[in-house]
Amino acid sequence: EAGVTQFPSHSVIEKGQTVTLRCDPISGHDNLYWYRRVMGKEIKFLLHFVKESKQDESGMPNNRFLAERTGGTYSTLKVQPAELEDSGVYFCASSQGLAGQETQYFGPGTRLLVL
Amino acid sequence: GDSVTQMEGPVTLSEEAFLTINCTYTATGYPSLFWYVQYPGEGLQLLLKATKADDKGSNKGFEATYRKETTSFHLEKGSVQVSDSAVYFCALSDMGTYKYIFGTGTRLKVLA
Repeated sequence: EAGVTQFPSHSVIEKGQTVTLRCDPISGHDNLYWYRRVMGKEIKFLLHFVKESKQDESGMPNNRFLAERTGGTYSTLKVQPAELEDSGVYFCASSQGLAGQETQYFGPGTRLLVL
Repeated sequence: GDSVTQMEGPVTLSEEAFLTINCTYTATGYPSLFWYVQYPGEGLQLLLKATKADDKGSNKGFEATYRKETTSFHLEKGSVQVSDSAVYFCALSDMGTYKYIFGTGTRLKVLA
């Protein structure tokens, strides 16, 4: 069974440009999460989809970030326009259950550098 | 709100040394607790988990016990190997929203 995949693995852009990150969850997983680790700090929650619906987007830093999940399958996270402080590693995770005991399976992350 | 505190790294050990990475948490309710590991150049992998008080999670020689009385979930391994060099993250799941709350991560370097 394929794991969570993310694309691209690395992205280097200039301040003010737009970047779109993609995440393909494990097949059959209704829950999809985005997290971010900035400058060696803790990994922080951004948002949670249940199928195509946003369940919790309390971690989204501002309106420059837009997440979508078309048809409840893959998800994209767009940053427009990118700022220097957006640099970090963006992780996607997916899970099957709804209870708090579920295990989230993480992708390899996308390393974003904004110059 | 809920939070996780991990010991600061980096931790440098010689091969076959005993490892402890401390993790304490603050949470309302009874969260599940996790240890994830990130090897160089790779993504996050689940190392072990515990879902209720006094549960012990174990995997690849690593162990951690869910201690409700001390709100801790310390990671231990009796004899580390060079291949254990990685960043270790302690996390809890928020019972209300399912999101994970992570600690800052502890980098472990094991020398031959």
